[in-house]
Amino acid sequence: SQTIHQWPATLVQPVGSPLSLECTVEGTSNPNLYWYRQAAGRGLQLLFYSVGIGQISSEVPQNLSASRPQDRQFILSSKKLLLSDSGFYLCAFDREGDTIYFGEGSWLTVV
Amino acid sequence: AQSVTQLDSHVSVSEGTPVLLRCNYSSSYSPSLFWYVQHPNKGLQLLLKYTSAATLVKGINGFEAEFKKSETSFHLTKPSAHMSDAAEYFCVVSSGSSNTGKLIFGQGTTLQVKP
Repeated sequence: SQTIHQWPATLVQPVGSPLSLECTVEGTSNPNLYWYRQAAGRGLQLLFYSVGIGQISSEVPQNLSASRPQDRQFILSSKKLLLSDSGFYLCAFDREGDTIYFGEGSWLTVV
Repeated sequence: AQSVTQLDSHVSVSEGTPVLLRCNYSSSYSPSLFWYVQHPNKGLQLLLKYTSAATLVKGINGFEAEFKKSETSFHLTKPSAHMSDAAEYFCVVSSGSSNTGKLIFGQGTTLQVKP
């Protein structure tokens, strides 16, 4: 069966520190991969999506970047976190526009 | 361009009474529509989806939604609320090209279920 894992589940980081959230998918090949962010009291916003290794599309300008070093691995990064980067980050995948499945999410608090 | 509007930010019902969560969408072509549920501090779980087949879609946990093109609506209903239904619900429309499922989320509706 297809599964998705992301970690860490919670993270408290000081302003200006780096960030790395990792996501891996199992049970499928060549998935589309997504990073979403949910700020407090708001809906989800698509940050990045990838249709293949090394192919990253950014939906909104921001302090974050994404990379896809392997087919089923998607990493969200920042060199220097801002207070406004706090939120709930969700990794997701699908294949060819079928139903999107989400990971458990990562809570990031920047202090 | 696609968009989705959830008409109520908060809905409160008593256990055992019907649930109605309202959603209107805007799409320039035949959309795929979804309802997701998010329990506190958890990821999102798919409740149901509409992809141009039957207009009445049945999902998990007794939920269903009806696609009404004339009203551009996709309201979520359940005949009898259970305490475990208390959560955040998102109406979602799929956008983007045919090989990606980029989603546009509504702002969410918090469902409170009172004993």
